[in-house]
Amino acid sequence: DVKVTQSSRYLVKRTGEKVFLECVQDMDHENMFWYRQDPGLGLRLIYFSYDVKMKEKGDIPEGYSVSREKKERFSLILESASTNQTSMYLCASSYVGQKNSPLHFGNGTRLTVT
Amino acid sequence: AQTVTQSQPEMSVQEAETVTLSCTYDTSESDYYLFWYKQPPSRQMILVIRQEAYKQQNATENRFSVNFQKAAKSFSLKISDSQLGDAAMYFCAYRTPNSGYALNFGKGTSLLVTP
Repeated sequence: DVKVTQSSRYLVKRTGEKVFLECVQDMDHENMFWYRQDPGLGLRLIYFSYDVKMKEKGDIPEGYSVSREKKERFSLILESASTNQTSMYLCASSYVGQKNSPLHFGNGTRLTVT
Repeated sequence: AQTVTQSQPEMSVQEAETVTLSCTYDTSESDYYLFWYKQPPSRQMILVIRQEAYKQQNATENRFSVNFQKAAKSFSLKISDSQLGDAAMYFCAYRTPNSGYALNFGKGTSLLVTP
C-alpha cells in the first residue's frame, strides 16, 4: 500500500513564526500535492509538484510556498504564519502514468496559529 | 472556474438502508475523471470509487455504486445496506487532463448512520 506520511498530526504556532509542514511518500510517485481543508469549504489546492524542483500554484497559494528537493518529500512553508492559516492541511501523492490515478493522502496536520 | 457542487451538507440514513449522495460538476471538457472519497473521523481520505467519463457503464465497488449522467453532469453515489462504519464526510472530485493531476473537490456531505 502507498504510504503518505505527514510529520505532525497537530501543530500549534504563534503568529509570525515560520512553519514547515513535511510530507513523505514511499511509492516513487511523481506528483505531490498540498490541500487545505476547512469546514464548509471542502479541500482547496494550495500547491502541487510534478517533479523534483518543480512547483505549480493551485487555487490558494497566497501566504504559502513549497519545496521539493527530493522526489519523495514535499514541504509546505508558511513564511509568516497568520491566524487565518489555522486549518487542516492534507498532503497527497499520485502516479503520473494513468489519467484515472487516484490521489493517496496522508492523515493530515491540524495547524493552529495563535 | 470549474466547480463541483455537493448540494447536501448533511445526510442521514438508517443502518441497512440505502442512501444517495448527489454531486454535480461544471466542465466544458469531454475527457475527465470522477472520484468519490470518504473521510471518517480518523481524517484519512479513502478512495471509494472512480469513474472515467468515456465509460458509459456505471462503476460499482461492493455496496457502493455511482449513477453517472454525463449530459446532466451528475455523479451521484449510492450506498446500499448502510453500515455504521459508513459514517463519514464524503467528497466528490474530478480531474480533467488540462488540469494536470490535481483533483477539484466539492465541499463535502456529512453522512450520519443511525442504528
